[in-house]
Amino acid sequence: DSGVTQTPKHLITATGQRVTLRCSPRSGDLSVYWYQQSLDQGLQFLIQYYNGEERAKGNILERFSAQQFPDLHSELNLSSLELGDSALYFCASSVVSAGGSTEAFFGQGTRLTVV
Amino acid sequence: GDSVTQMEGPVTLSEEAFLTINCTYTATGYPSLFWYVQYPGEGLQLLLKATKADDKGSNKGFEATYRKETTSFHLEKGSVQVSDSAVYFCALSGNYGGSQGNLIFGKGTKLSVKP
Repeated sequence: DSGVTQTPKHLITATGQRVTLRCSPRSGDLSVYWYQQSLDQGLQFLIQYYNGEERAKGNILERFSAQQFPDLHSELNLSSLELGDSALYFCASSVVSAGGSTEAFFGQGTRLTVV
Repeated sequence: GDSVTQMEGPVTLSEEAFLTINCTYTATGYPSLFWYVQYPGEGLQLLLKATKADDKGSNKGFEATYRKETTSFHLEKGSVQVSDSAVYFCALSGNYGGSQGNLIFGKGTKLSVKP
């Protein structure tokens, strides 16, 4: 058990809909990352939050947004869903050391299926 | 931009065989390097890491050495077991928008070990 909790584990929804994925980081971790894992694109970094503020953006679509709340949990919002958004979405949390190395701990993921 | 290239799979080995999974990277600066493992139906788990050149990461019989001169971080294990069957991901800590810590992953190598 990594200590990172993601809910729900599975989600099936229709095209055009909006969903929210939730992540609770490990106790004490201020950084939260969202990744998308799909068969064609592999594992891609979407966005990072650090202590409530957006820190970095990767390949995140404009239809997607995220936020991190004062209790440090994070939510990833996906809207106007398309079939191609079907993927496994991972949340990870970490502490960044002074040396810059980052050991990220991953949740078990939310499998999103858009039909 | 930064990138990771790892050998294509799948790789099928007999139990007790020697394993090598090649990983090379392109990066500016001095990234940290990681190997993550994903067992079926689970999230990613950190297997080992190295934070500077010539460092050797090791865990559960797996080893990888950070080779700056060849920009490589090959994963090795002397004697694989059936329980090592999983997908292995090489990753480096990237640098999006000036923020270090986001992981850039290779496409993953699926390993199957037969008894």
